[in-house]
Amino acid sequence: DAEITQSPRHKITETGRQVTLACHQTWNHNNMFWYRQDLGHGLRLIHYSYGVQDTNKGEVSDGYSVSRSNTEDLPLTLESAASSQTSVYFCASGTRGDEQFFGPGTRLTVL
Amino acid sequence: AQSVAQPEDQVNVAEGNPLTVKCTYSVSGNPYLFWYVQYPNRGLQFLLKYITGDNLVKGSYGFEAEFNKSQTSFHLKKPSALVSDSALYFCAVRVLNTGFQKLVFGTGTRLLVSP
Repeated sequence: DAEITQSPRHKITETGRQVTLACHQTWNHNNMFWYRQDLGHGLRLIHYSYGVQDTNKGEVSDGYSVSRSNTEDLPLTLESAASSQTSVYFCASGTRGDEQFFGPGTRLTVL
Repeated sequence: AQSVAQPEDQVNVAEGNPLTVKCTYSVSGNPYLFWYVQYPNRGLQFLLKYITGDNLVKGSYGFEAEFNKSQTSFHLKKPSALVSDSALYFCAVRVLNTGFQKLVFGTGTRLLVSP
């Protein structure tokens, strides 16, 4: 069965370190997304991609970057982790105009 | 700005009773509306969507939603709640921005169904 996976599921890091969160989907979807979930804010879009070599900034992109070298993967990198980036991160994929399929999430703690 | 609002942080209902989780929207043009559910330590799961047509949309797990254009609402409903329905529910609207169709989510409503 097709799926979308994220790793690691839990991560603790220190302020200033670079962190990369992995996202892998086997749906063969062109569109992929990264969200963060914080209490009182719902889900906020960090970055998204329409396809290979395409990346775009979402509403809360500062301090984050993504790259898309193939259809299946969209890793999210925190260049220099900050305590404000402590959150739960969700990756999603979908076809244009259709519903999105979400991964299980990564809980990131920045100390 | 196009958005959705979920006015209740939490909804409590007894098992067997009908439930309603409220959502209102603010969009220009025709709204494309979605409901997602999130169980503890899981990602969001799609429940249903409204694109056009019948104002009553049926979805997964016995849920349905009623689109009301005059009240700009898209409330989620279920005739008889189950304890297993206890979860976090998100309303979302699809917005079109320079060709990219993204989802804007509400802040979520926690549903607690008591036995």
